[in-house]
Amino acid sequence: GAVVSQHPSRVICKSGTSVKIECRSLDFQATTMFWYRQFPKKSLMLMATSNEGSKATYEQGVEKDKFLINHASLTLSTLTVTSAHPEDSSFYICSARDLGTGTYEQYFGPGTRLTVT
Amino acid sequence: AQSVTQPDIHITVSEGASLELRCNYSYGATPYLFWYVQSPGQGLQLLLKYFSGDTLVQGIKGFEAEFKRSQSSFNLRKPSVHWSDAAVYFCAVDNEKLTFGTGTRLTIIP
Repeated sequence: GAVVSQHPSRVICKSGTSVKIECRSLDFQATTMFWYRQFPKKSLMLMATSNEGSKATYEQGVEKDKFLINHASLTLSTLTVTSAHPEDSSFYICSARDLGTGTYEQYFGPGTRLTVT
Repeated sequence: AQSVTQPDIHITVSEGASLELRCNYSYGATPYLFWYVQSPGQGLQLLLKYFSGDTLVQGIKGFEAEFKRSQSSFNLRKPSVHWSDAAVYFCAVDNEKLTFGTGTRLTIIP
């Protein structure tokens, strides 16, 4: 089956620093990847849609200069949290659509827990 | 705009009992519907999906869901739950992007 990986699974950084999270589709090509944020005991909120070779589309209220998304290849998208602050601490999950299936199904990564101290 | 409602925040059932988790959606056309399960600290695993055709869909781990257009519902069922089913369950509707419900936390008691 389609597998999506995320790295790192857990990261702790100091306030003011930047951190990069990678999302990879391991056995399929993904023209579209998605980044979600999940607060404790809450649902997933879509942050942005990442299309290979083009700029990401951000949801309303998400700061594009703070959450930099790059989708340089059909198997890799990265999310960089710039100048992180404690309120950015959250669980970040990516997903990818399999180009080959032509369906709306998304495959999810295992998530990255970010803690900003 | 599409929306998903999961009216039950937390459900507790006994192991071996039957389960039904409710999901209602708001969307203009026939939606693509999904149920996902999330174990603590983990990503999401797809249980089942409905795109078209037979309104009763079978998923993994013994789960099934029924699409009822007249009620705008897509409830998830399992005839007999196992302790390993304890998790948070999300219903979602997709029209180029996924919209999730708020989730239902399932607790299993021995």
